[in-house]
Amino acid sequence: DVKVTQSSRYLVKRTGEKVFLECVQDMDHENMFWYRQDPGLGLRLIYFSYDVKMKEKGDIPEGYSVSREKKERFSLILESASTNQTSMYLCAIRTQGGNQPQHFGDGTRLSIL
Amino acid sequence: RKEVEQDPGPFNVPEGATVAFNCTYSNSASQSFFWYRQDCRKEPKLLMSVYSSGNEDGRFTAQLNRASQYISLLIRDSKLSDSATYLCVVYNQAGTALIFGKGTTLSVSS
Repeated sequence: DVKVTQSSRYLVKRTGEKVFLECVQDMDHENMFWYRQDPGLGLRLIYFSYDVKMKEKGDIPEGYSVSREKKERFSLILESASTNQTSMYLCAIRTQGGNQPQHFGDGTRLSIL
Repeated sequence: RKEVEQDPGPFNVPEGATVAFNCTYSNSASQSFFWYRQDCRKEPKLLMSVYSSGNEDGRFTAQLNRASQYISLLIRDSKLSDSATYLCVVYNQAGTALIFGKGTTLSVSS
């Protein structure tokens, strides 16, 4: 079974803080993705990575950065958190190359106060 | 036209009913299609892939009409446990990223 683990289910941070969201997978998959999900807007892609030290911007990268120093870990960083970044954040992996489905972690509900 | 469009519902049906969801997508070059299921406050989970010839998995049937850029999901003999939001999902032309519909909400009642 595919296992995608996100470091926190719930997180509360303050405006201006630097926030790290961690995602770990245990199957040596190359492709990893970060999404956010908001009511009425659906899932939107923030960043993705095809391999270690590689990253690509998604649809809404502004205010975020990512880090992929090891294959199993893909981190999403909010450089200076703002209230409009309050959201559900979902990490996903793709098990193979090509147009294969993605599998998600449990999600992190992040609140920025 | 939105990239992936779904009727948001909600669809309220009794147990045992048959219900169908539809989805349209805008990019004719899209190659891969999926239905995901998402329970309240949980992550999306893959329900089934959608193949050109149509495919079935138990009570669930998925159909693809490339000419009309239309995908459907049919659920037969609805169960209470089918209550969830169903997401229509399409890969972009480059095959690099999934594009999600906003979901259709199903509520099955006894």
